[in-house]
Amino acid sequence: KAGVTQTPRYLIKTRGQQVTLSCSPISGHRSVSWYQQTPGQGLQFLFEYFSETQRNKGNFPGRFSGRQFSNSRSEMNVSTLELGDSALYLCASSLGIGEYNEQFFGPGTRLTVL
Amino acid sequence: AQSVAQPEDQVNVAEGNPLTVKCTYSVSGNPYLFWYVQYPNRGLQFLLKYITGDNLVKGSYGFEAEFNKSQTSFHLKKPSALVSDSALYFCAVRDSNRGSTLGRLYFGRGTQLTVWP
Repeated sequence: KAGVTQTPRYLIKTRGQQVTLSCSPISGHRSVSWYQQTPGQGLQFLFEYFSETQRNKGNFPGRFSGRQFSNSRSEMNVSTLELGDSALYLCASSLGIGEYNEQFFGPGTRLTVL
Repeated sequence: AQSVAQPEDQVNVAEGNPLTVKCTYSVSGNPYLFWYVQYPNRGLQFLLKYITGDNLVKGSYGFEAEFNKSQTSFHLKKPSALVSDSALYFCAVRDSNRGSTLGRLYFGRGTQLTVWP
């Protein structure tokens, strides 16, 4: 079974631009979560989607948004990029929303904002 | 509120020696606990989980973890460390009492494990 895939793997943008990151979950997985990872803040939860609905949202400004499609693929968008948005963005999928379900992570998208 | 603490930023151990990476948690209900490992420039890999039952959980690559409810701990262990175990390790918890968090996964800040030859 193919794992979680994320595209692109690397991205360089300048301040003020916007960016869209894509995530394809493991086949059959219906829940997708997004995380931001930085050396200073560690892993921070962005949002979680299940069946095209956002179930949970972390403490990020409205510039960060996401969506999930009917095939469970997910995208996240960051508008008006700031230098502090430079990070590794990780997508994770799981079978469902049960507490016992482990999440499987993709390799991440490394975003650099200049 | 739910939280996870990994009290050691770094753990250094010699190859062949046992290793322990510590984790403590705080939840209002029952905990569902997970360990993940991250190699440089990679995503997180699932190692093992505790849901219920036996307090000693066995996982991938020879790792195991011990759940201790009274100490609210879930320490990761391996009897004999390998150089290839060197990586960043994350502990995570979900709360059975969902409340407003709807079962969100909370991560610790990570522990860098270095195994020297």
